[in-house]
Amino acid sequence: AQKITQTQPGMFVQEKEAVTLDCTYDTSDPSYGLFWYKQPSSGEMIFLIYQGSYDQQNATEGRYSLNFQKARKSANLVISASQLGDSAMYFCAMREKGYTGANSKLTFGKGITLSVRP
Amino acid sequence: DGGITQSPKYLFRKEGQNVTLSCEQNLNHDAMYWYRQDPGQGLRLIYYSQIVNDFQKGDIAEGYSVSREKKESFPLTVTSAQKNPTAFYLCASSRSGQGEYGYTFGSGTRLTVV
Repeated sequence: AQKITQTQPGMFVQEKEAVTLDCTYDTSDPSYGLFWYKQPSSGEMIFLIYQGSYDQQNATEGRYSLNFQKARKSANLVISASQLGDSAMYFCAMREKGYTGANSKLTFGKGITLSVRP
Repeated sequence: DGGITQSPKYLFRKEGQNVTLSCEQNLNHDAMYWYRQDPGQGLRLIYYSQIVNDFQKGDIAEGYSVSREKKESFPLTVTSAQKNPTAFYLCASSRSGQGEYGYTFGSGTRLTVV
């Protein structure tokens, strides 16, 4: 079974509007971290936001916020006031704590392409 | 400034050739990783290393080899046994352990078989 699921096809949003990118995850580990990365056409991976499984509040970083619903195992990224420069591929990833460190690597979803229209 | 440097940015390989992709970091991170990305796809883990002189296979290690002789360096060799090596390769590093330590990525190497 996939650990990180991103099923939305290409997403489109009008400039200055908000958009939500969906991510669901699967883990039995009680301690884990969830990450979102942005990959523009240049290929670099840019870290956006982090949410820990024990964090009581949803993470926010500027125009990015994470809608964390633990019981539903979802960690959706919300981008407010979209800008043309937000057009990119977005990846959700999870890092499980594990007990030996063997699971401490990040597992990525397949990504979602976001296009911002002027 | 601290970061990860991948070189070269573009690499062309002939059939049957081995090529080595360089990855160097000056972040003092213990762990380093190699991922492969195919067009429109997510990242798949090739190899990772959590400490010098030790490394583990990821999900798609066949046809690849690595070494970790220094903390700063984690080169990836794409061998002739890798039948479909054309892809975008990303190197990353992180602090060791678990929790909120995400990855810092290099800018990638685009490998093409000619």
